[in-house]
Amino acid sequence: NAGVTQTPKFQVLKTGQSMTLQCAQDMNHNSMYWYRQDPGMGLRLIYYSASEGTTDKGEVPNGYNVSRLNKREFSLRLESAAPSQTSVYFCARGQGLGETQYFGPGTRLLVL
Amino acid sequence: AQSVTQLDSHVSVSEGTPVLLRCNYSSSYSPSLFWYVQHPNKGLQLLLKYTSAATLVKGINGFEAEFKKSETSFHLTKPSAHMSDAAEYFCVVSDSNSNSGYALNFGKGTSLLVTP
Repeated sequence: NAGVTQTPKFQVLKTGQSMTLQCAQDMNHNSMYWYRQDPGMGLRLIYYSASEGTTDKGEVPNGYNVSRLNKREFSLRLESAAPSQTSVYFCARGQGLGETQYFGPGTRLLVL
Repeated sequence: AQSVTQLDSHVSVSEGTPVLLRCNYSSSYSPSLFWYVQHPNKGLQLLLKYTSAATLVKGINGFEAEFKKSETSFHLTKPSAHMSDAAEYFCVVSDSNSNSGYALNFGKGTSLLVTP
């Protein structure tokens, strides 16, 4: 898993429920990212964290919040889930010149 | 912002024949370019990357890609397809001039089917 773990692997929510997706890296890299993957759309950046204690919006941040409490962990929170948030969510860590990114195995989220 | 276009959404090849997955990019700088592979229900795995060193980049599993600035292309090739190559392939450009800490801009993907 390229040094990135994600939990849970799969989750079903009802509309309006909240949940937090967890991501942790076991390398000591500064940058971490959350993406969502939808059919035919590639991956789209939700939020990123360039370093511990900082976070910024990506392309599709609405409906999400993130927290980077320490260098190792970067969580993604859905405060009130909507069916449009049904997707596969990937966390990634950034490394090196040009910031090659390494991805976790993903969390499949279904919102009913 | 930099972007990539994958010219084929689906490619089908026979086992043992060459693979060509096409990607064009738009960039006003010298970009960093990547190819990632995603097998069904799996995460993304880095195949190879270009970062302004050699224009012919060799990756894992026999794949390679050539950076052609004049054509703004970064096509992925493999001489002989194997059944295990069946997967989704993403061409990606690193937007190093964005504010997003080297966010990656993904193409929409090419699904490679390998037939016996």
